[in-house]
Amino acid sequence: GENVEQHPSTLSVQEGDSAVIKCTYSDSASNYFPWYKQELGKGPQLIIDIRSNVGEKKDQRIAVTLNKTAKHFSLHITETQPEDSAVYFCAANSWGNDMRFGAGTRLTVKP
Amino acid sequence: EAQVTQNPRYLITVTGKKLTVTCSQNMNHEYMSWYRQDPGLGLRQIYYSMNVEVTDKGDVPEGYKVSRKEKRNFPLILESPSPNQTSLFFCASSLISGSLIDTQYFGPGTRLTVL
Repeated sequence: GENVEQHPSTLSVQEGDSAVIKCTYSDSASNYFPWYKQELGKGPQLIIDIRSNVGEKKDQRIAVTLNKTAKHFSLHITETQPEDSAVYFCAANSWGNDMRFGAGTRLTVKP
Repeated sequence: EAQVTQNPRYLITVTGKKLTVTCSQNMNHEYMSWYRQDPGLGLRQIYYSMNVEVTDKGDVPEGYKVSRKEKRNFPLILESPSPNQTSLFFCASSLISGSLIDTQYFGPGTRLTVL
């Protein structure tokens, strides 16, 4: 089955700087790669996703890039703000619709 | 309001006492899923369902049962809970587009403690 690794586990940046979180996956058949943001006491919320037929997708300050050959995908947050502080999870599908998540990255944006 | 609801939100129980955590969605989603979240391990999928009467094992199904008799409900059943099932559980739902799942919407979570 799929194995998703996520790095770093914690990330601290200054407000206004960029943040990058990277994930690798093992199943070459995976074709759906979502990113979730989880705030304290809440369930994860999708912030952006990408499918394997696309190399990059952007939504305002958030972008995701996918390298299928290397089996890795990354989340990029530009002009970070304190409200971006949360735990971020990457995920990839395995065997169709069995979702596998990374261990999470705790992002802290210092004002 | 479109949402996924879970009940109870918090539960403390004892080893061996059967329990059910309910999950309901009002978005007419075909796909529903259960995850457990543990520190350092992220979210691990327990079971998922592509539609009514169709369920499949996820990454960590041992010790859990599910059923999908109606499209909106997907209860998680622990027949004989054990302390290693102490965790935070999330239910999620999604549309299916061309046999692939779309955006998953998560419930607020159920924190379970098994003594």
